[in-house]
Parts: sequence; structure tokens; C-alpha cells
Amino acid sequence: DIVMTQSPDSLAVSLGERATINCKSSQSVLYSSNNKNYLAWYQQKPGQPPKLLIYWASTRESGVPDRFSGSGSGTDFTLTISSLQAEDVAVYYCQQYYSTPIFTFGPGTKVDIK
Amino acid sequence: EVQLVQSGAEVKKPGESLKISCKGSGYSFTSYWIGWVRQMPGKGLEWMGIIYPGDSDTRYSPSFQGQVTISADKSISTAYLQWSSLKASDTAMYYCARPNGGYGEALAFDYWGQGTLVTVSS
Repeated sequence: DIVMTQSPDSLAVSLGERATINCKSSQSVLYSSNNKNYLAWYQQKPGQPPKLLIYWASTRESGVPDRFSGSGSGTDFTLTISSLQAEDVAVYYCQQYYSTPIFTFGPGTKVDIK
Repeated sequence: EVQLVQSGAEVKKPGESLKISCKGSGYSFTSYWIGWVRQMPGKGLEWMGIIYPGDSDTRYSPSFQGQVTISADKSISTAYLQWSSLKASDTAMYYCARPNGGYGEALAFDYWGQGTLVTVSS
């Protein structure tokens, strides 16, 4: 099974500053046949279901603000919020779908305002 | 508009059985997988399993294999998650979610239900 880890567990960032979340998979989630990373990022605000932010490691879902960006390849990935807004306070999860239709989520990273 | 609408909150006693539902609309229900995700109080997301309503192909996370049963009734576009004997540790929010992509390749979960809170207490 592919195990996902995230760091840090939580972080506090000043409004307008950058937030960076890391995600690591226990094996590569890059498919050589199509050169795509089977990695997604979700945002979950309190009392709400998760929301898809990024798929294919770096493609923003429709309607997601461009301050959110994803990068990385193989086993190491990053979600960056370039200028933190108050509404970005949430828990962020990475997820692999390389072993589709078997999936695994990372443990989550909580983002707060400093 | 794609929608996944889940059944309402449940309060059960240990040892009781339960079946919760997730009704899909706004898309071809038989052409997409539907998965289930557990979130225990104050904890993260755990993928439980998934079903392809077109042919009832079902896969489970090893952590949930034998603990729950996932099924679907394509005639009413509804997926189910059921327990035969609940435990207090089953207390959690349960989400259904639809991954993009068809049978051959379920991808990221782009649509989610609103969640069903299951409370198991004596």
C-alpha cells in the first residue's frame, strides 16, 4: 500500500504571507506512460466536506484561486498558498490515486493565522 | 449539476446494524465509481472503499475489509455503506465522494456528499 505523509502537522502564517505544506508518498505516484503524477490536494474547513483544490499534482480545479499552487513529482510534493487569506484557514490533505481504484490520504496539515 | 445527497444523522447502540445512503444525481450514476470516507471526531480523512455501480465491482481498504459492506442500487442511483454490528469506535462522520474518470481510471474526488454523522453510544 502507498503511505502518504505530510509536514508540518500544523502551521500558523501571517495574513498575506506564504504557507507551504509538504506531502511525501512511500512510492512514486508518477505514471511513466503519461508522465502524470496521481496526486491531489483537498481543503477542509470546519463543518464542511473536503473540497478538491489541485489534481495531477499541479492542476487547479475550476474556481480555485490562483494563490493556491501545487508542485513536485515522483514522491515529493508541495502545496503553496502564496498570500494567505483569512478564508484559507482549514486543514489540507494530500491524496494519491496512483493505485486507483484504491486511494490513500495524508494525515492532514492544519493552517491557522498567526 | 452533479449532487451527492446523503441520508441523515443516526444515533445507534453498540451491536445494532445500520445502512446509510448516498444518492447521486446530475450525471450517469453507472459510469462513475463512488467511494466512502470516514472522519472520526477531530481526526483526518480515511478512505474506506469504493464501488462501481455499473457492475458492482467493489474494493475495500485493508483497514475496513470485513468491517463494513458497500453496495449500490443503480435503479435508484444510490450507494450504501452498512454495518452488521456497530461499535462505539464507529462513531464518525461518513462522506461519500465521486472520483472523476470512469471505470478504467478513478481519479481525484471532485464531488462530495454533505456527510452523515453516525453516533454509536449505549
